[in-house]
Amino acid sequence: AQSVTQLDSHVSVSEGTPVLLRCNYSSSYSPSLFWYVQHPNKGLQLLLKYTSAATLVKGINGFEAEFKKSETSFHLTKPSAHMSDAAEYFCVVSEVVKAAGNKLTFGGGTRVLVKP
Amino acid sequence: KAGVTQTPRYLIKTRGQQVTLSCSPISGHRSVSWYQQTPGQGLQFLFEYFSETQRNKGNFPGRFSGRQFSNSRSEMNVSTLELGDSALYLCASSLATGGDTQYFGPGTRLTVL
Repeated sequence: AQSVTQLDSHVSVSEGTPVLLRCNYSSSYSPSLFWYVQHPNKGLQLLLKYTSAATLVKGINGFEAEFKKSETSFHLTKPSAHMSDAAEYFCVVSEVVKAAGNKLTFGGGTRVLVKP
Repeated sequence: KAGVTQTPRYLIKTRGQQVTLSCSPISGHRSVSWYQQTPGQGLQFLFEYFSETQRNKGNFPGRFSGRQFSNSRSEMNVSTLELGDSALYLCASSLATGGDTQYFGPGTRLTVL
């Protein structure tokens, strides 16, 4: 079975300062890991994906995430927050087993507030 | 390439009615998955269809059902609506199954009165 824990339900940062969103996961198989972002009243947009090619993954809009197998973590960072980064962020795990089909397991989400 | 589209975007129904939601995947994508998003339960997996076959199912009652057509378009149906079915229903498509990247549509907001 797979599960995802996002350690902070809310994060508040000032514009121009770094953002850190923390995520721990568990999975029975080698997982694919994702970060998605959801702006108010919108669907989910893919930020980045980890698939074992490299432990540091770069995504869109200046975001990146580091996969640490020993810590079962996949934290998301951005060096400098922008007002447009205010949204809810979801850490997601999917088991890469064909027989398992496509089933995403979502963390509870982290709502990011960016202060001017 | 056009993204995932969902229709309708908003729906208001009353308890006991049934509803059908539609999802058109990205061209060439053969897998369609459905998710329910509520403030209390977060995002939960409903089911996945691949090549017109249900591949995977979440922990939802039988009132929730779906299907996929030969052109990969998918519909989900909820019968005998309950107040707790009020949610944002998201559809996602991917090229293949088994951990492939999923791309989401804007969702259908269902309100049950």
